[in-house]
Amino acid sequence: EAGVVQSPRYKIIEKKQPVAFWCNPISGHNTLYWYLQNLGQGPELLIRYENEEAVDDSQLPKDRFSAERLKGVDSTLKIQPAELGDSAVYLCASSLGVASGPYNEQFFGPGTRLTVL
Amino acid sequence: AQTVTQSQPEMSVQEAETVTLSCTYDTSESDYYLFWYKQPPSRQMILVIRQEAYKQQNATENRFSVNFQKAAKSFSLKISDSQLGDAAMYFCAYRSAFSSNTGKLIFGQGTTLQVKP
Repeated sequence: EAGVVQSPRYKIIEKKQPVAFWCNPISGHNTLYWYLQNLGQGPELLIRYENEEAVDDSQLPKDRFSAERLKGVDSTLKIQPAELGDSAVYLCASSLGVASGPYNEQFFGPGTRLTVL
Repeated sequence: AQTVTQSQPEMSVQEAETVTLSCTYDTSESDYYLFWYKQPPSRQMILVIRQEAYKQQNATENRFSVNFQKAAKSFSLKISDSQLGDAAMYFCAYRSAFSSNTGKLIFGQGTTLQVKP
């Protein structure tokens, strides 16, 4: 079974440019998460989707970040315009069903490492 | 708000020896789950072990075991018979069991484990 797929793996852009990250969750997983991981730190949740609905986006900086999950499968995270401080790893994860219970494991993708120059 | 603290930025262990990684957390909730994740240089976050707060028995998974002290809010990971492949960054994480907060993993800062041959 394929895991969570993310692309691109690496992205280098100039500041003020737009950038987008793509995530394909594990087949059948209704819950999708985007996390931000700064260098040497633990991931922090940006947004969580239950199917197409964003149920927790309280940590998403909405002035420059946006996300969508059309048809409840793939998701895209966008930054426009990017700032130097956005350099980080962006992780996508998915889990089966409603996000409750200890065995509703979150499976992580390999992440996209963004460098803003 | 819940917080997770890992006070050991780096640890090292000799191959075949035992090492313990520390984690403390703060919460006012009575029901929650705790996890240890491993993140190798490939960045793929992998679940190592999970613990349900209402269970007094410490979780074990092969060479990995935890020491869960609920009153002290402590959750340490013991790796026995360390192998070179155990070298990675290890994250302690908390997840609420309450429906309004479920899904969000709160991570510590991580501990980099080096395994010496």
